[in-house]
Amino acid sequence: QVQLQESGPGLLKPSETLSLNCTVSGDSISSDYWNWIRQPAGKGLEWIGRIYPSGSTNYNPSLKGRVTMSVDTSKNQFSLNLRSVTAADTAVYYCARDEGGFWPRMDHWGQGILVTVSS
Amino acid sequence: EIVLTQSPGTLSLSPGESATLSCRASQSVSSNYLAWYQQRPGQAPRLLIYGASNRATGIPARFSGSGSGTDFTLTISRLEPEDFAVYYCQQSGTSLTFGPGTKVDIK
Repeated sequence: QVQLQESGPGLLKPSETLSLNCTVSGDSISSDYWNWIRQPAGKGLEWIGRIYPSGSTNYNPSLKGRVTMSVDTSKNQFSLNLRSVTAADTAVYYCARDEGGFWPRMDHWGQGILVTVSS
Repeated sequence: EIVLTQSPGTLSLSPGESATLSCRASQSVSSNYLAWYQQRPGQAPRLLIYGASNRATGIPARFSGSGSGTDFTLTISRLEPEDFAVYYCQQSGTSLTFGPGTKVDIK
């Protein structure tokens, strides 16, 4: 059974760097595509980006320049770094697996982690 | 960027009724790149439909998807109490974007 679990600080100050990890069990991080998505309170879903088994990445253009994703195969986890955060980055952050292939779809999600940016 | 527009914003229905949710893309999306998700309050989104019309594992047959090009539809026949939630369409043909969601609430 595939499971994903987000972890990281829940409170940041403006201008700091948000760093989150997603630990995967039941699947190898060396296969499939791995995504980060966020959701401000009461609002819709925003895709942040994706990392592929090769280590290549695609990011949402609206966040490009502030986002970096990486994979740690030894821990079977992938990570998100978002620099220079502001209050607008306050949201629940989800990680999700996408099997890719002909029918890409995010079929497994973490439970989400609330990150608040406040001075 | 492909913009997805969902309508209506809110759908008020009674259990047992059917729901028809629309997702319109600003440019053509290949059907295999269109998915639908359900999100209940306080929960992570759950995959319902992928490839525009394929039900995900464990999704009841009352959920069906259709459409092509720029117009896609999610139909829920005979609403159950647990179906009252927010539904998002998503495309991954060009980058990846979500629609703003349709809330299905109890009338």
